Parts: sequence; C-alpha cells; structure tokens
Amino acid sequence: SQTIHQWPATLVQPVGSPLSLECTVEGTSNPNLYWYRQAAGRGLQLLFYSVGIGQISSEVPQNLSASRPQDRQFILSSKKLLLSDSGFYLCARQGQETQYFGPGTRLLVL
Amino acid sequence: DQQVKQNSPSLSVQEGRISILNCDYTNSMFDYFLWYKKYPAEGPTFLISISSIKDKNEDGRFTVFLNKSAKHLSLHIVPSQPGDSAVYFCAARIVGDDKIIFGKGTRLHILP
Repeated sequence: SQTIHQWPATLVQPVGSPLSLECTVEGTSNPNLYWYRQAAGRGLQLLFYSVGIGQISSEVPQNLSASRPQDRQFILSSKKLLLSDSGFYLCARQGQETQYFGPGTRLLVL
Repeated sequence: DQQVKQNSPSLSVQEGRISILNCDYTNSMFDYFLWYKKYPAEGPTFLISISSIKDKNEDGRFTVFLNKSAKHLSLHIVPSQPGDSAVYFCAARIVGDDKIIFGKGTRLHILP
C-alpha cells in the first residue's frame, strides 16, 4: 500500500527559529509531491510541488522553502519563522486522478 | 483571485436528512472536480469526483452533480449521519495539469 508519513505531528516554535518538516512516501516511486498549508479561514493553499529529485516549484512567495533530496522524501524548511507561518501543513502525493494526503503537522509559532 | 469558491463556511443538518454542499468555479479550463472530507488534525481524504463530461456521479450515500453552464457543482449526502460531521473541500483540476485547486471548505455539522 502507498503511505505518507509526516513528522512531527505537532510543533511549537518561537518566532525567528528555524523549521524543518519532513514527509516520506512509501509504496511508490517517483511520485509528484506537494506541500499545502491550511490556515484559519483560508482553505488549502498549495505552497510547493515537486516532480522529481531536486525539482521544486514554488506557488506563492513566502518565508518557506522546500527540498527533495530523495525520491520519496520532501522537506519543508524555514530559516526564520514568522507568526504568520502558523498553520496545518499537509504533504500530498499525486495519484491517478486525485491527490492523497498525509496526516499533517500542526505548527504554532509563538 | 479565488477560482474555486465555497460560499458557505458552515452548514448544519439534522441527522437522517439530506446535506447539500455547494461549490462554484470560475475557470472554464477545469476538467475534473473532486470533493474531500477532512476531520480535525487529520489530512483530507478523497471522497468522490466527477469528470466534466458527466453531470452526475453517485457512490453510496454521496452524489456529486455538475452544472457546467452555471459553473456549479454540489455534493449531496443522504441520509446524513453523525460521522459526516467534518470540513468538506471542493477542488478542481485544470486540463493537462496535476495540480488541484481547493476551495476554502464548508464545515458540516450533523445534528442529533
């Protein structure tokens, strides 16, 4: 079966601190991978997507970056967190007709 | 500019009755529409979809209707059950593109 892992599940970080969220995918090779953020009242916003190792496309200008060091690993990072980076971060992989989501990471920046 | 709009942030429906969630879109290039269900602190799960060549797709208690001329789709849940309480996201995909564009979601409350 194809599974998406995200960690940590919950994270509380001070403003100005760095961030690293990890997503790993099992059971499939060379998937298209996506990072979304769900912020209050804003639905699901696509942040980054990747079609392969080292290939990252950014959808919105922001304080975050993404990397794909391995085929099944997708990392979301920041050098200095802002209060506005708080939200629920979701990793997703492309399926045949839809996308499948991981369990998410809740980030609270204080 | 929001291409997929869910104008009702929340909806309350009595258990056993029909729940109707609405969605409007602006981009005529969308060729595939999806509904996702999301519980708190979990990732969204795919619920049902419809291709632009159809006007209805049914899966058990869930039916999605598509009105292309009005650029409108709706999700019907009947009968509504307590476990249906969740946030429902309408989403759409553009021809030739894997990216999916989501609406802001509608929170559905099923009342006992």
